Amino acid sequence: KAGVTQTPRYLIKTRGQQVTLSCSPISGHRSVSWYQQTPGQGLQFLFEYFSETQRNKGNFPGRFSGRQFSNSRSEMNVSTLELGDSALYLCASSLEVSRGYGYTFGSGTRLTVV
Amino acid sequence: AQSVTQLGSHVSVSEGALVLLRCNYSSSVPPYLFWYVQYPNQGLQLLLKYTSAATLVKGINGFEAEFKKSETSFHLTKPSAHMSDAAEYFCAVSDPGSGNTPLVFGKGTRLSVIA
Repeated sequence: KAGVTQTPRYLIKTRGQQVTLSCSPISGHRSVSWYQQTPGQGLQFLFEYFSETQRNKGNFPGRFSGRQFSNSRSEMNVSTLELGDSALYLCASSLEVSRGYGYTFGSGTRLTVV
Repeated sequence: AQSVTQLGSHVSVSEGALVLLRCNYSSSVPPYLFWYVQYPNQGLQLLLKYTSAATLVKGINGFEAEFKKSETSFHLTKPSAHMSDAAEYFCAVSDPGSGNTPLVFGKGTRLSVIA
């Protein structure tokens, strides 16, 4: 059974550009969550999608957005990149929204903004 | 709001020694609790979870954790450390309800194992 797949693994962008990251959940998983991981702030929740609907949103500016498609694949977009957006972006999928199932994480996308 | 505190950002143990990583939570309702491990340049892997069944939970790679409501703790232990256990460990808490709140992670504890 394939795990959570995130593409690309590494990305270098320039300040002011925009970027789109992709996440394919485990087959059958309908919940997808995104986290930003930095050395200073740790793991911070970005948003969660379930059946194409955003269920929760973290405390990030509007430059961060996401969506989920009918096949449960998800994308997140960051517009007008800032140096502080450099981070590891992790996607996690779960069977349902009930937290008891736990999350399965992808390997992440390492975004560097220069 | 739920929160997790992991005591000690860095723990160092000798190979073969006991591993103890501390996690205390704050929650207004009996929570679900998780431990994840992260190896360099990888995502997080679920070690074990507590979802209101047995209070002593056994996970992968010989790890276990005990839920202690009176102490609001969920410490992670392993009787004998192995070099391959060196990694970052995260404790997380969630509301067991309808999933209207996200999984909240602690800051992490980096475990070093000395030969």
